[in-house]
Amino acid sequence: EVHLVESGGGLVQPGGSLRLSCTASGFTYRSYWMSWVRQAPGKGLEWVAYIKHDGTDKKYVDSVKGRAIISRDNADNALYLQMNSLTIEDTAVYYCVRVGGDYSLDHWGQGTLVTVSS
Amino acid sequence: QTVVTQEPSFSVSPGGTVTLTCGLTSGSVSTNDYASWFQQIPGQTPRSLIYSTTTRSSGVPDRFSGSLLGNKAALTITGAQADDESDYYCALYMGSGIWVFGGGSRLTVL
Repeated sequence: EVHLVESGGGLVQPGGSLRLSCTASGFTYRSYWMSWVRQAPGKGLEWVAYIKHDGTDKKYVDSVKGRAIISRDNADNALYLQMNSLTIEDTAVYYCVRVGGDYSLDHWGQGTLVTVSS
Repeated sequence: QTVVTQEPSFSVSPGGTVTLTCGLTSGSVSTNDYASWFQQIPGQTPRSLIYSTTTRSSGVPDRFSGSLLGNKAALTITGAQADDESDYYCALYMGSGIWVFGGGSRLTVL
C-alpha cells in the first residue's frame, strides 16, 4: 500500500525558512515523479512543485520560484521542500503527492501545516 | 497565465445526476491536458477520482465518470449519494511537470 507521510510543518515568522519532508513507502519510490501541493485555510488546492524521478528536472509555481527548492533522496525514499523568505500567503497545508501514470496525482499524504505569522 | 475554471457550487438530489465542468479561460480542454478530478471531504485529504480525462482511479465507484463536454472536461456523478457531498477539484497537466488546479466546486446533496 502506498504511504506518504509529511513532516516539518509548524509556526514560522515572516521571512523565515522551513524544510518539509515526506517519507514514502509501499512502492518503488525511485521510479516516480513527485509533487508538492498546498491548500491555504479555507481555500482550494494549488500545485507548488514537481521533481522528476531521478531529480534531473524540477518545476515550481510562479509564487514560490526563487524561494523554494524541491529535492529528493531516492536511497532514503524521501522528498523535501525547502521554503525560504516565507510570507503570510505561504500559510497552508502542504501535501506530498505521487505522480502516477498519465500525469495523475494519484496518492496523497495527510499533509503538514505551515503557519507563517508574527 | 493559465486559469482553470470550475462552477463554484452545485446541488443535486439524492439519486440524481450532476455534471461538473473544468475549463480554460483561454482555449479548450483536450485529452492532451490529462484532466484529473479529486474529491475532498472537508477536513480530509484529497482523493483521486479520475485521471487522463476518463480513467477512474483504483477503488472509485463507477457512478463517477469523466469525459470531455464541448470545450471542457467534465465529471459526472450518476445516482448521487449523501456521502458524495464534498468539494471537487479538477487539475490540468500543462506539460513540462506543471499542473494547474481549478478553484473547486462544492457539491451539496439535498
